[in-house]
Amino acid sequence: EAGVVQSPRYKIIEKKQPVAFWCNPISGHNTLYWYLQNLGQGPELLIRYENEEAVDDSQLPKDRFSAERLKGVDSTLKIQPAELGDSAVYLCASSLDPGPNTEAFFGQGTRLTVV
Amino acid sequence: DAKTTQPNSMESNEEEPVHLPCNHSTISGTDYIHWYRQLPSQGPEYVIHGLTSNVNNRMASLAIAEDRKSSTLILHRATLRDAAVYYCILRPFSGTYKYIFGTGTRLKVLA
Repeated sequence: EAGVVQSPRYKIIEKKQPVAFWCNPISGHNTLYWYLQNLGQGPELLIRYENEEAVDDSQLPKDRFSAERLKGVDSTLKIQPAELGDSAVYLCASSLDPGPNTEAFFGQGTRLTVV
Repeated sequence: DAKTTQPNSMESNEEEPVHLPCNHSTISGTDYIHWYRQLPSQGPEYVIHGLTSNVNNRMASLAIAEDRKSSTLILHRATLRDAAVYYCILRPFSGTYKYIFGTGTRLKVLA
């Protein structure tokens, strides 16, 4: 079975340009997470979905970041406009449910470089 | 959210056991202890998790102290492919259900 699929793997854009990342979670997984990982740091949660509902987006910079999960399956994360400080790895993860006795599966991430 | 403390780095020789410690003195009674690892240029990968009892799976063993204020991830025979950053994470039974990653322990395996 395929794991969590993210695309693209790498993206280089100029500052002030928009960018979008796509995530296809494992089939049947209701919970989807987007994380941001800066170099040398652990991942930090941006947003969590339960089916199509964003239930925790408190860490998402809403002035420039947006996310959606149509039909409770695939998800996209968008940045508009991108800033130099947005350069990082963006990780998507999914799990059957959000409970603590459940493991999460992570994609390989999208490495964004803003120049 | 309860926090965890791990050493920044550790070294091990290949084919020897590795014990990765984690302190979580503020753990609550319903927090699960999870371990993930992240290989270079990869997303985090689930290793093991537990609540009170020691746990074993094909990848590793998790030893949980009786008072639950610390735990140890045990790799029984380290290989070069085990070189990664290992994260110890507490997952609460309610609330935001976040995975709160620290900076983890970078494990170096020597051939």
